[in-house]
Amino acid sequence: DAKTTQPNSMESNEEEPVHLPCNHSTISGTDYIHWYRQLPSQGPEYVIHGLTSNVNNRMASLAIAEDRKSSTLILHRATLRDAAVYYCIPISYNQGGKLIFGQGTELSVKP
Amino acid sequence: ETGVTQTPRHLVMGMTNKKSLKCEQHLGHNAMYWYKQSAKKPLELMFVYSLEERVENNSVPSRFSPECPNSSHLFLHLHTLQPEDSALYLCASSQDRDRNQPQHFGDGTRLSIL
Repeated sequence: DAKTTQPNSMESNEEEPVHLPCNHSTISGTDYIHWYRQLPSQGPEYVIHGLTSNVNNRMASLAIAEDRKSSTLILHRATLRDAAVYYCIPISYNQGGKLIFGQGTELSVKP
Repeated sequence: ETGVTQTPRHLVMGMTNKKSLKCEQHLGHNAMYWYKQSAKKPLELMFVYSLEERVENNSVPSRFSPECPNSSHLFLHLHTLQPEDSALYLCASSQDRDRNQPQHFGDGTRLSIL
């Protein structure tokens, strides 16, 4: 299982972009990189995932480094509702769908 | 509307009680999961079901007994729990267990053991 390193916490101002980094230097070539977030008093919520190319969806963008040892989740305009703990989770082919959560990054958004 | 519904949202029980947690998904998924989230600790996987068959038990004590009667429902039967079992129990589902598939979570059952 690939190990991940994320900042414990980050702060952002409302309506500004946020770049959440994740280091996964032990990732293997076929591991997908997933991002989830957990808002207070809720279960985790899927955000985005990718393999090699950058990915965009209605929630966020995922930028994956060319060597795949790191990735960045980009929230283009942070809102107060984006305050949550963000988890970066590599998943390998032999994990059988098992998500291995770390401590994540707690994002706070200031009005 | 998350597509995954868990009941009850809160449960308080004594150590000698027997209770069950229920999870229901209306997403047509074939895989379902139980996770445990204790205070100040990362979420940890407990059980995995695929097409109603248990495919993983992550060294969970026998006082937790899962049941998957069909692909839409998942239960976690609890008996003679310990205070350290107080936690948020989360259910999730995914189309299948492929690494390319996202998981959809319910909002959990907050369990307190007296």
